[in-house]
Amino acid sequence: AQSVTQPDIHITVSEGASLELRCNYSYGATPYLFWYVQSPGQGLQLLLKYFSGDTLVQGIKGFEAEFKRSQSSFNLRKPSVHWSDAAEYFCAVGAKYNQGGKLIFGQGTELSVKP
Amino acid sequence: GAVVSQHPSWVICKSGTSVKIECRSLDFQATTMFWYRQFPKQSLMLMATSNEGSKATYEQGVEKDKFLINHASLTLSTLTVTSAHPEDSSFYICSAPRPGDTEAFFGQGTRLTVV
Repeated sequence: AQSVTQPDIHITVSEGASLELRCNYSYGATPYLFWYVQSPGQGLQLLLKYFSGDTLVQGIKGFEAEFKRSQSSFNLRKPSVHWSDAAEYFCAVGAKYNQGGKLIFGQGTELSVKP
Repeated sequence: GAVVSQHPSWVICKSGTSVKIECRSLDFQATTMFWYRQFPKQSLMLMATSNEGSKATYEQGVEKDKFLINHASLTLSTLTVTSAHPEDSSFYICSAPRPGDTEAFFGQGTRLTVV
């Protein structure tokens, strides 16, 4: 079955600390992988995506993610968290031919940032 | 700026009435659009794939007679929630892949509350 698992429902980090959000996927075809951020009551903003090439991808707002095929993982990292990073984060997977459409989303990880 | 526009941002309707949500691609033609649903504190679930000029493809468990999708032009897809009930209250969000891109662009979402 195709699925995305984000094991951590809620994470709290101190401002300035590093962050890693975990994402594991199960997908039959070559995956396109995405990380989105959602603020309360808002739509989705794309942080970064992976579809081929370098397995370490850089995104907006200082985020990066590493694709590890052997572990079926696509973890999101940030070296120093800012209070404005507090939001809900979603990992998603889709097929190459759908161009980022028809995505399967993980359950989401809610990030809280302590001052 | 936004490349996919969704309208309205929020709507409150009475139980038993119908509500139409629009999703427009602003600067490109989208032969396919996608509709997702998000319950509070939950992930996004794909409801259906909207195909320009043909019938929508619904995901398993989604009532096609309740959630009517029309993709009458290359820039507009509409989702009509018919005979809405309080359990239909949710956040509905659309996306559209832009030709040549490797991601789909999301609308701002519509918060539907049925009272």
